[in-house]
Amino acid sequence: DTGVSQNPRHKITKRGQNVTFRCDPISEHNRLYWYRQTLGQGPEFLTYFQNEAQLEKSRLLSDRFSAERPKGSFSTLEIQRTEQGDSAMYLCASSRLDLGYTFGSGTRLTVV
Amino acid sequence: TQLLEQSPQFLSIQEGENLTVYCNSSSVFSSLQWYRQEPGEGPVLLVTVVTGGEVKKLKRLTFQFGDARKDSSLHITAAQPGDTGLYLCVEGGSEKLVFGKGTKLTVNP
Repeated sequence: DTGVSQNPRHKITKRGQNVTFRCDPISEHNRLYWYRQTLGQGPEFLTYFQNEAQLEKSRLLSDRFSAERPKGSFSTLEIQRTEQGDSAMYLCASSRLDLGYTFGSGTRLTVV
Repeated sequence: TQLLEQSPQFLSIQEGENLTVYCNSSSVFSSLQWYRQEPGEGPVLLVTVVTGGEVKKLKRLTFQFGDARKDSSLHITAAQPGDTGLYLCVEGGSEKLVFGKGTKLTVNP
């Protein structure tokens, strides 16, 4: 297992389009997190899963955002009707309980 | 929600210099983690400190946890260009990580 994998690495989309990102966590990690990071800021928490259950969602996660982890393994984050303000780096992390987090390299989204 | 402040926000130094960055909290940390994030990559965990007064060393990096567990410092000796990145502190041991803005360090050759 080589760590947390995120795809795609980069995504450019037109405003109003839908986009979906994928995260493959470390296989024995039962927790999976999504964060968003804009330039000059630290990562901001969006949501997290324990196994397949989505346990918490940030108020940052508007109705246009949805995340799933259907079998407790990989996760997807979908953004509908993208807006320019959605441009950011979307980071996924996984952990086994709270024993340190491993982050992926992120998906950089640019909405034009 | 714990308020994290990191200082300085930006730091630009020459190779070979020493530096210290700080992390302060409005409340007591149960434990604290330091991450480094290189441009275009995700954060990488450097260290977790748990006990007040604890000091941990990682090669040229020295991490100190305050006695009252409300602050921490990261000292880098003889900085190298490879140390360039965003240094983030965060409370560990919680179900989600809440990051501050971090300290953006640039080490010039």
